[in-house]
Amino acid sequence: DTAVSQTPKYLVTQMGNDKSIKCEQNLGHDTMYWYKQDSKKFLKIMFSYNNKELIINETVPNRFSPKSPDKAHLNLHINSLELGDSAVYFCASSQDRGGQMYYGYTFGSGTRLTVV
Amino acid sequence: QKEVEQNSGPLSVPEGAIASLNCTYSDRGSQSFFWYRQYSGKSPELIMSIYSNGDKEDGRFTAQLNKASQYVSLLIRDSQPSDSATYLCAVKGITGFQKLVFGTGTRLLVSP
Repeated sequence: DTAVSQTPKYLVTQMGNDKSIKCEQNLGHDTMYWYKQDSKKFLKIMFSYNNKELIINETVPNRFSPKSPDKAHLNLHINSLELGDSAVYFCASSQDRGGQMYYGYTFGSGTRLTVV
Repeated sequence: QKEVEQNSGPLSVPEGAIASLNCTYSDRGSQSFFWYRQYSGKSPELIMSIYSNGDKEDGRFTAQLNKASQYVSLLIRDSQPSDSATYLCAVKGITGFQKLVFGTGTRLLVSP
């Protein structure tokens, strides 16, 4: 069983288009994240949701809008795509116990977005 | 100053040697520390976590934490070509709800 699944795995689209990436986790975790990994492998957090509530919203253009319909799902919608949005987007989830993140994140397989 | 710093490498070691990967962090109140391995084109996978000063061993891997020096390291004993990957250090600070801050990773190359 896939723990954190993302779709699609690859996304090639033209500038100006709108696209969505979906993420689902079956681990029972209460926190989910979107990270962007650039060409130099740097992973930078974009958003985090805890039990459907937005708790982290880093400096991300308004064109990016996350949505969490329930604690097992976190989607990312991107409007008016730009060349600089090309990257790998990872969904992740975690479970906190007593204020400690004992097990780190479990990552999805990633979505490679290419904007042409 | 970056929050989490790693030497980008590549770090090249021969098969069977010990690979030593280092990471420093800026948030003195950081509580939890993680090492992830990422193969090319794949997602990061957790290999070690450490929360207290000292060493933590798991098979061929040993994580070392020194909070006074704000330093965490990963030792890989008996390195294998299959260990060739990028190793990401991640830190959870005292601020930032459930957020891990990642270093840029160190690329490890193990030659047969």
